Amino acid sequence: GQNIDQPTEMTATEGAIVQINCTYQTSGFNGLFWYQQHAGEAPTFLSYNVLDGLEEKGRFSSFLSRSKGYSYLLLKELQMKDSASYLCAVGDSNYQLIWGAGTKLIIKP
Amino acid sequence: IAGITQAPTSQILAAGRRMTLRCTQDMRHNAMYWYRQDLGLGLRLIHYSNTAGTTGKGEVPDGYSVSRANTDDFPLTLASAVPSQTSVYFCASSDVGGTNSPLHFGNGTRLTVT
Repeated sequence: GQNIDQPTEMTATEGAIVQINCTYQTSGFNGLFWYQQHAGEAPTFLSYNVLDGLEEKGRFSSFLSRSKGYSYLLLKELQMKDSASYLCAVGDSNYQLIWGAGTKLIIKP
Repeated sequence: IAGITQAPTSQILAAGRRMTLRCTQDMRHNAMYWYRQDLGLGLRLIHYSNTAGTTGKGEVPDGYSVSRANTDDFPLTLASAVPSQTSVYFCASSDVGGTNSPLHFGNGTRLTVT
């Protein structure tokens, strides 16, 4: 079967750095997305990786290793507004997105 | 403001009733999707449409139907609601179908079937 694994919950301190991991087992690979979802709101797009390596976008970076079935989202200089769930999604061989259950990130002052 | 509009925002529905969730986008995106989100689970695709006039089944299509008469609208119908359909429903769109284009989501419809 196809599977996306993410930690259920993480806690970090304001101003610090946090890394949220995502491992996947899917039938084929057609891109990996990270989305942010604040409680009670819609998911919003953060990043897209299709080739191995690091993609940097301001305070957020996303890394992909296709050979290891692994990605991480790195958040720097954490702010209270970064408290949210972070969703990892992978495109499979049928070009359908398979979603992880999300990682709830709690930021403490 | 460009985006996706879903209606209603929330609804309590008696089991056995018929219900249509509405979704409209003004971004002229080709592809549209319906997902359900349940606690502890990832988003699950119900139905999708890669272009007006075509639809396809997702991971959990049973009990749901869709139509795509034009580019902008993608309604989701529950023919006879059951309690297991209690969920938050998100409509989304993307420039093109497949998995290369990011999804834009509506604000969701919270549905409770009693």
